[in-house]
Amino acid sequence: AAGVIQSPRHLIKEKRETATLKCYPIPRHDTVYWYQQGPGQDPQFLISFYEKMQSDKGSIPDRFSAQQFSDYHSELNMSSLELGDSALYFCASSLGARDKTEAFFGQGTRLTVV
Amino acid sequence: AQTVTQSQPEMSVQEAETVTLSCTYDTSESDYYLFWYKQPPSRQMILVIRQEAYKQQNATENRFSVNFQKAAKSFSLKISDSQLGDAAMYFCAYRRYMYSGGGADGLTFGKGTHLIIQP
Repeated sequence: AAGVIQSPRHLIKEKRETATLKCYPIPRHDTVYWYQQGPGQDPQFLISFYEKMQSDKGSIPDRFSAQQFSDYHSELNMSSLELGDSALYFCASSLGARDKTEAFFGQGTRLTVV
Repeated sequence: AQTVTQSQPEMSVQEAETVTLSCTYDTSESDYYLFWYKQPPSRQMILVIRQEAYKQQNATENRFSVNFQKAAKSFSLKISDSQLGDAAMYFCAYRRYMYSGGGADGLTFGKGTHLIIQP
């Protein structure tokens, strides 16, 4: 079965650079979530989208922005990168507004800021 | 704001034995969902089990079951017949129920419990 696809899987950037992470949800899923997991930490919710509109917002820095496109894929844009942004970034997707449906996680993008 | 607490940073169990992982949470909501996720060394987040707060019956998935105590705001995970493949970080997570509209809130995770399986 198709899963959530994240690209790239690994990314190395220098401080103050910009990074773009992409997420392709499971086909027919219209809700996307972004999480950040630092080394040895629990995942922290950043932001979610439903039908291309922002649904919920967590601890997303102002330097980060995200959007969901007409084909439901989503991109997380990160600017002025800092060493502390080094983390595993997860995308998850779920189906519609049906709250009972579980969110499926992608394998993550490992971002290293040097 | 809701919080999720896992008081056991690490647990160890003999293969084939039973282990219980603890989780407590704090919320002012009456309707919500609770989850246990497993994160093996591959770092993939895998849903283990889900519980709806309005259901009094404890959820069960094969060797995994929960003890949901709503009044005590407790949600423990019991793993029976532990297997080597169960070794992983286990995260307890909370999500509030949305009565209307689209989408869903993000999950609030606990700090995790590292489960070690002794052969």
